[in-house]
Amino acid sequence: RKEVEQDPGPFNVPEGATVAFNCTYSNSASQSFFWYRQDCRKEPKLLMSVYSSGNEDGRFTAQLNRASQYISLLIRDSKLSDSATYLCVVNNQAGTALIFGKGTTLSVSS
Amino acid sequence: DVKVTQSSRYLVKRTGEKVFLECVQDMDHENMFWYRQDPGLGLRLIYFSYDVKMKEKGDIPEGYSVSREKKERFSLILESASTNQTSMYLCASRIQGNTEAFFGQGTRLTVV
Repeated sequence: RKEVEQDPGPFNVPEGATVAFNCTYSNSASQSFFWYRQDCRKEPKLLMSVYSSGNEDGRFTAQLNRASQYISLLIRDSKLSDSATYLCVVNNQAGTALIFGKGTTLSVSS
Repeated sequence: DVKVTQSSRYLVKRTGEKVFLECVQDMDHENMFWYRQDPGLGLRLIYFSYDVKMKEKGDIPEGYSVSREKKERFSLILESASTNQTSMYLCASRIQGNTEAFFGQGTRLTVV
């Protein structure tokens, strides 16, 4: 099993849609989880951390299921500006570095 | 705001050249990382450093070395550049512990 796996997409949705991304990870001892956003030809930037209790930031909701080793990101009321690649990120086995999924591409159209 | 600065945005080098990619961060972060990003392969960890003069191999260290003589600076060295090292190189830093990392703007290296 790869360390971090994501559905690559692309997800093509209309404005206003709700879209969900999923991610699984292999290291059951991982302690930190994040979603990053990467725009075309730009560096990744932190979108949000993912906490055990789940967390919300405006239209974005992140969930963590430790038992299933599964992370999700829900985007409500999609905007054109949400078009980007979303990267699922987990600490490595030693807890010393961040391991990135390959990313899920979202395209929001009007 | 955290600032991670990579010395070049675009670089073109010849096969066999020794290449230095420089990264500087201004937030006194202990941990620094070098990743490369290729289409379909995502970000892959080359090397990381958790303190001055300390370094650890990542998932794909072959053909690369690193140097961290000062806390704020982490250099990636391609001893003899090859065409398969053409890629986007991303530097990142973070404080010690289970925290998020901050990225530089990336260096797009082309080896011809």
